[in-house]
Amino acid sequence: DGGITQSPKYLFRKEGQNVTLSCEQNLNHDAMYWYRQDPGQGLRLIYYSQIVNDFQKGDIAEGYSVSREKKESFPLTVTSAQKNPTAFYLCASRRSFTSNEQFFGPGTRLTVL
Amino acid sequence: EDKVVQSPLSLVVHEGDTVTLNCSYEVTNFRSLLWYKQEKKAPTFLFMLTSSGIEKKSGRLSSILDKKELFSILNITATQTGDSAIYLCAETSGSRLTFGEGTQLTVNP
Repeated sequence: DGGITQSPKYLFRKEGQNVTLSCEQNLNHDAMYWYRQDPGQGLRLIYYSQIVNDFQKGDIAEGYSVSREKKESFPLTVTSAQKNPTAFYLCASRRSFTSNEQFFGPGTRLTVL
Repeated sequence: EDKVVQSPLSLVVHEGDTVTLNCSYEVTNFRSLLWYKQEKKAPTFLFMLTSSGIEKKSGRLSSILDKKELFSILNITATQTGDSAIYLCAETSGSRLTFGEGTQLTVNP
């Protein structure tokens, strides 16, 4: 079964702690993306990667970090520098950065207490 | 800088009403425009539009693109409470998709 998996589905953390969100895809897609969504709002791009070992900042990268050591994996770390990390985080992928369609994972809802 | 603007941002209607959601864009090398529906989880794909004037239809939902005026509309006829969701449009010209802010549609019984 091909697709994008994100884990965990729900995550609770104390303020000041770093936390890493997992995103794995078995679609053999080159490009991967991380978005943040706040209640009732659209998607804001955090980071994206067009190819292994390369990634670019999106519109709201401050307080976040990523790595892309393997094609199928694109983990996102929410650091203590992120002032308001409570949000819904979505991972997505495309076959390549020139492809039209983008596929989404199920999302991780992060709550910082 | 590529830009996608959706309107209205929020819409409340009664079951049975027809709604039209708007998406305008400013991009340098247009490739395609996507519509997604999002309930309390990941967005689900609705339509991909690449050519002007050709309507895409799926049940009560339909969408059309106007490449001259740089906009797209998503129509929902005979709305149902299950249509309540955020509707997102996105343009795919760059190495990243450019999303609009979304339209929050609420359909009341």
